Amino acid sequence: KAGVTQTPRYLIKTRGQQVTLSCSPISGHRSVSWYQQTPGQGLQFLFEYFSETQRNKGNFPGRFSGRQFSNSRSEMNVSTLELGDSALYLCASSSDRANEQFFGPGTRLTVL
Amino acid sequence: QKEVEQNSGPLSVPEGAIASLNCTYSDRGSQSFFWYRQYSGKSPELIMSIYSNGDKEDGRFTAQLNKASQYVSLLIRDSQPSDSATYLCAVYRGSQGNLIFGKGTKLSVKP
Repeated sequence: KAGVTQTPRYLIKTRGQQVTLSCSPISGHRSVSWYQQTPGQGLQFLFEYFSETQRNKGNFPGRFSGRQFSNSRSEMNVSTLELGDSALYLCASSSDRANEQFFGPGTRLTVL
Repeated sequence: QKEVEQNSGPLSVPEGAIASLNCTYSDRGSQSFFWYRQYSGKSPELIMSIYSNGDKEDGRFTAQLNKASQYVSLLIRDSQPSDSATYLCAVYRGSQGNLIFGKGTKLSVKP
């Protein structure tokens, strides 16, 4: 089975811009969760989608949003980028959220 | 109290020794427990999952869960230099519906 894929792998943006990241889960997995990882805060939960519905959301501002498509692929969007948004963004897929989650390679976002 | 706590390390062990990694969690309603390994510059890789009290063994890895003490551990037997990585403990909270991660313990295995 192919693993979780994320595109792009690297992004450089400037403050105020917006960015869209994409995640394709493992075939058959319907739950996609997004995380932000920074050296200071570690891995922090952004949101989780299941069957095109956002089931859960972490404590992030509204500039962070996401969606899931009928084929379970998911996108997350960050608008009005700030320097502090520089991080590794990870998506993880699972058959359901209480089950094992498998991470993609991540997207490294740098905001200048 | 942090929700999931791990000793940040670094934990240094000689090659061939047993590495013991510990994790405590605050939510008694937590249901599922996971250990991830993360190499520098890479994404986390799931290495163990445990759902009930006791031990679970997989090759050189043993996960131990004690829900009464709210404690999860990971033992790595016959440690190898390739085991050098950061190990993340993750806990699924049913009440919140998401995984909570500890900050990770950095393990260094010296040849």
